[in-house]
Amino acid sequence: DQQVKQNSPSLSVQEGRISILNCDYTNSMFDYFLWYKKYPAEGPTFLISISSIKDKNEDGRFTVFLNKSAKHLSLHIVPSQPGDSAVYFCAASDPLNRDDKIIFGKGTRLHILP
Amino acid sequence: DAGITQSPRYKITETGRQVTLMCHQTWSHSYMFWYRQDLGHGLRLIYYSAAADITDKGEVPDGYVVSRSKTENFPLTLESATRSQTSVYFCASNSGGGYTFGSGTRLTVV
Repeated sequence: DQQVKQNSPSLSVQEGRISILNCDYTNSMFDYFLWYKKYPAEGPTFLISISSIKDKNEDGRFTVFLNKSAKHLSLHIVPSQPGDSAVYFCAASDPLNRDDKIIFGKGTRLHILP
Repeated sequence: DAGITQSPRYKITETGRQVTLMCHQTWSHSYMFWYRQDLGHGLRLIYYSAAADITDKGEVPDGYVVSRSKTENFPLTLESATRSQTSVYFCASNSGGGYTFGSGTRLTVV
């Protein structure tokens, strides 16, 4: 059963507008959440993270929001730029997992339209 | 250069052949991981390693073998390749706050 879910396989957003990528999780023990960005023919790269003790973390145009009660997090990109077109993976880690494994969602492909 | 490197970048092999994908990291990170990326499945963990000579299965280990004789290397072997193993394979190491991935190996089994 999927513990990290990205229910939107793809999303199209006009350049300059806000992109909102959503992620849900089922394991209430997750305490650290990450977003990775992946371009074609490249490996995923770390984008932004948030600890469960926070509800918001901002880094330039990227902000991640965490709603623990809803087991939901979202990535906001404002303003969206053409270079943001990529696949975005949501991921989570469990402090009880001694093997440092991170669990990934299936990804959301973001298309920024000119 | 420091980092995590995978080789080859592209590989075509025939069904039933053995093929090894290489992964090398220069940081001496303890943990290393192999993922495959497939449409509709995202990133699925094949095998991981907590340290040299310590390996364990992930979500989709069948048909794969790994070894970790040295901390910096974590090769992935397909003992008898099947068409279902056509995929993009990513190696990663744990950099403390998350993973750093290699550039991937695109494997096609014909």
